[in-house]
Amino acid sequence: SAVISQKPSRDICQRGTSLTIQCQVDSQVTMMFWYRQQPGQSLTLIATANQGSEATYESGFVIDKFPISRPNLTFSTLTVSNMSPEDSSIYLCSVDRTGGYEQYFGPGTRLTVT
Amino acid sequence: QQQVKQSPQSLIVQKGGISIINCAYENTAFDYFPWYQQFPGKGPALLIAIRPDVSEKKEGRFTISFNKSAKQFSLHIMDSQPGDSATYFCAANFGDKLIFGTGTRLQVFP
Repeated sequence: SAVISQKPSRDICQRGTSLTIQCQVDSQVTMMFWYRQQPGQSLTLIATANQGSEATYESGFVIDKFPISRPNLTFSTLTVSNMSPEDSSIYLCSVDRTGGYEQYFGPGTRLTVT
Repeated sequence: QQQVKQSPQSLIVQKGGISIINCAYENTAFDYFPWYQQFPGKGPALLIAIRPDVSEKKEGRFTISFNKSAKQFSLHIMDSQPGDSATYFCAANFGDKLIFGTGTRLQVFP
């Protein structure tokens, strides 16, 4: 498994602003993922962030809206840009050491946009 | 078809009873099936997982039953406890990604 921390744990932001969410892992991992989870809903993959390459975005998510950085093997950030109330959600990072079989999740960042 | 269908959406069980959550898939390329447990305000936690060449896997009170020909798998929670009250997600591996089911909210009453 892995110990994963996220900052901030929650935030309330105004429409039109941006928020950067940090994800820190206790050991080196190649694959990191960012998900969005609406309250009471399932997890939707935003992008895969591998160190040394550009993030790969899923359909419906674009780099201009959700820029991701992966500067090293233990850290990643997700920025939610030009926020609207529709971006209110829980954002989760996860890591994978098993080549796609098992992922371990951080505690999440609960974002509310007013 | 990259979907995993999960049912029921919600489940109420009495303490000591058996909780059963079902999932179905279409894509035979899926080759690993984990289950996650999520408590309110927490991230999902890996609970138990199975490969399609195994028909059953048991870990404590949690058992996965896998039917490869029917493309179905299920999670059984024996002797359900109030502490098991959480949302459960089945998932399937596809390449380097996981495809998640829609989730089942389990409530276990004393």
